[in-house]
Amino acid sequence: DTGVSQDPRHKITKRGQNVTFRCDPISEHNRLYWYRQTLGQGPEFLTYFQNEAQLEKSRLLSDRFSAERPKGSFSTLEIQRTEQGDSAMYLCASRQGEKLFFGSGTQLSVL
Amino acid sequence: QKEVEQDPGPLSVPEGAIVSLNCTYSNSAFQYFMWYRQYSRKGPELLMYTYSSGNKEDGRFTAQVDKSSKYISLFIRDSQPSDSATYLCAMISASKLTFGTGTRLQVTL
Repeated sequence: DTGVSQDPRHKITKRGQNVTFRCDPISEHNRLYWYRQTLGQGPEFLTYFQNEAQLEKSRLLSDRFSAERPKGSFSTLEIQRTEQGDSAMYLCASRQGEKLFFGSGTQLSVL
Repeated sequence: QKEVEQDPGPLSVPEGAIVSLNCTYSNSAFQYFMWYRQYSRKGPELLMYTYSSGNKEDGRFTAQVDKSSKYISLFIRDSQPSDSATYLCAMISASKLTFGTGTRLQVTL
């Protein structure tokens, strides 16, 4: 257990619905990352926060995706109007120095 | 061309074998190099972390970095069935970590 918690572990939704995932990082880490991983691929960077500020977003993060980190603690990732192509594992990581520690991920299936 | 290239395998070896996993990269700005292990339906787990060229050893694992060739390796000695997993190389440049595709390893009895 790395100390990074993600909820839920699994989410099944119908196309067009909105979903929200939560990440609780290791408490003393001020940098938090979201990645997406599809089967047979390595994780792909989506966005990252330093405290409550969202400092970088990937072009993978379309306008249907939004991430927040109010008060620099937990973070949420929302996907609006889900599409089948959004089916993937969504991973959260918190960073200490140059090391990233990942949670177990949220597996999203869009039917 | 991807910034980080890694053979996806699968790689199957008998128990006790020495395993060699490799990645090449193209971005000279990468400064820190890592290996993660990922079991099915789990998040990646940090195994090894190196900065400079050369070797770093931790138990049965050795990480090797050759910055001049833009090539990194992970060696696993005396491989065990519990080592069966996907191994991901990863590299940091400035703010973010870039991963390889991952190599799926199967250690058989």
